[in-house]
Amino acid sequence: DGGITQSPKYLFRKEGQNVTLSCEQNLNHDAMYWYRQDPGQGLRLIYYSQIVNDFQKGDIAEGYSVSREKKESFPLTVTSAQKNPTAFYLCASSRGGATEAFFGQGTRLTVV
Amino acid sequence: QKEVEQNSGPLSVPEGAIASLNCTYSDRGSQSFFWYRQYSGKSPELIMFIYSNGDKEDGRFTAQLNKASQYVSLLIRDSQPSDSATYLCAAQAPMDTGRRALTFGSGTRLQVQP
Repeated sequence: DGGITQSPKYLFRKEGQNVTLSCEQNLNHDAMYWYRQDPGQGLRLIYYSQIVNDFQKGDIAEGYSVSREKKESFPLTVTSAQKNPTAFYLCASSRGGATEAFFGQGTRLTVV
Repeated sequence: QKEVEQNSGPLSVPEGAIASLNCTYSDRGSQSFFWYRQYSGKSPELIMFIYSNGDKEDGRFTAQLNKASQYVSLLIRDSQPSDSATYLCAAQAPMDTGRRALTFGSGTRLQVQP
């Protein structure tokens, strides 16, 4: 089955620790995205990549980093510089020229 | 920053009624608009998208776009309790901006009462 796989589903981070969220897609989509969702809020764009080896900052990139070494993969690292990382993180992908985005099942990150 | 605005709700409708969800956007150059449904604790699912002024129907759902008024709506006919969810409106900037990522509203929570 084609789709977007995020792992882990739940993640706990200690203060001052970096953690990496995985996102893999087998839809052959060129573009991939990371969004953050806080309770009762909409989705805010962290980073996006429209092609391999290229990515751009979204609206709330501070404290996050990404890489896009393979078309299928777009991991997100939440660094210790992100002061309030507890949130629901959503990865999405879309075909390059087309528009609709499809989402993975999300990773819920909690700081302990 | 370009914005997409939605009433947070909750919007409560009886089973079988028409639910009307509304959205406005600030970037007049936005070209494509999307409606996603999100159940509590789950990821968003695409319902439908619309590019052109007017109506677009898909089963019980109708999306309406009025670019002059910068207004998008979603109508759900014969609402069912299973339609109870948060509905997210999203807009996409024109291709010449280079930004294809969607800008989302905060969502409207719909409650369909049995």
